[in-house]
Amino acid sequence: DVKVTQSSRYLVKRTGEKVFLECVQDMDHENMFWYRQDPGLGLRLIYFSYDVKMKEKGDIPEGYSVSREKKERFSLILESASTNQTSMYLCASSTGGLYGYTFGSGTRLTVV
Amino acid sequence: QKEVEQNSGPLSVPEGAIASLNCTYSDRGSQSFFWYRQYSGKSPELIMFIYSNGDKEDGRFTAQLNKASQYVSLLIRDSQPSDSATYLCAVHSGGGADGLTFGKGTHLIIQP
Repeated sequence: DVKVTQSSRYLVKRTGEKVFLECVQDMDHENMFWYRQDPGLGLRLIYFSYDVKMKEKGDIPEGYSVSREKKERFSLILESASTNQTSMYLCASSTGGLYGYTFGSGTRLTVV
Repeated sequence: QKEVEQNSGPLSVPEGAIASLNCTYSDRGSQSFFWYRQYSGKSPELIMFIYSNGDKEDGRFTAQLNKASQYVSLLIRDSQPSDSATYLCAVHSGGGADGLTFGKGTHLIIQP
């Protein structure tokens, strides 16, 4: 089975800090995604990548950036964390939408 | 704008009964359809996918697709308390990393 690993399950950061969320998948998937999930708002796509060094903005990219230097790793960066970025962050990977996504276990980020 | 609509619930079903979860989508070109289960505080887990009109059964789960009506459903037979979760419907409309469009989910409660 595809495994998608997110480096932290829970994180607490201070306002203004630079935050790195790491995601690694082990099945050579081309496509990787970062979502945030908030009550009542569902899953919202932040960024996605379909190849190394390639990135595309999703629906809510403001305040975030990403990095994909290796095929298996996709990092989400909060340049200057703010309290409205407190959320559950989910990474996913796939070989193409036709086959669905596999999600990581999620990172619950709290910005204080 | 591609949309996937689900009733947010909660949908309350007695233990042992059939739970019926529904989803409609806006893009007639959609090709593949997925149901994810998400327990509180956890990440979504793929439980069913369907590509063709009709029914697809897997154990206690049946996915039903009607492309003419742009409607997909999930039936859970012999519902168990462990089925209590939020169920996300996701739709793929083609185009590689174009990705999935998710509904906001239906919260299902199985009453013992």
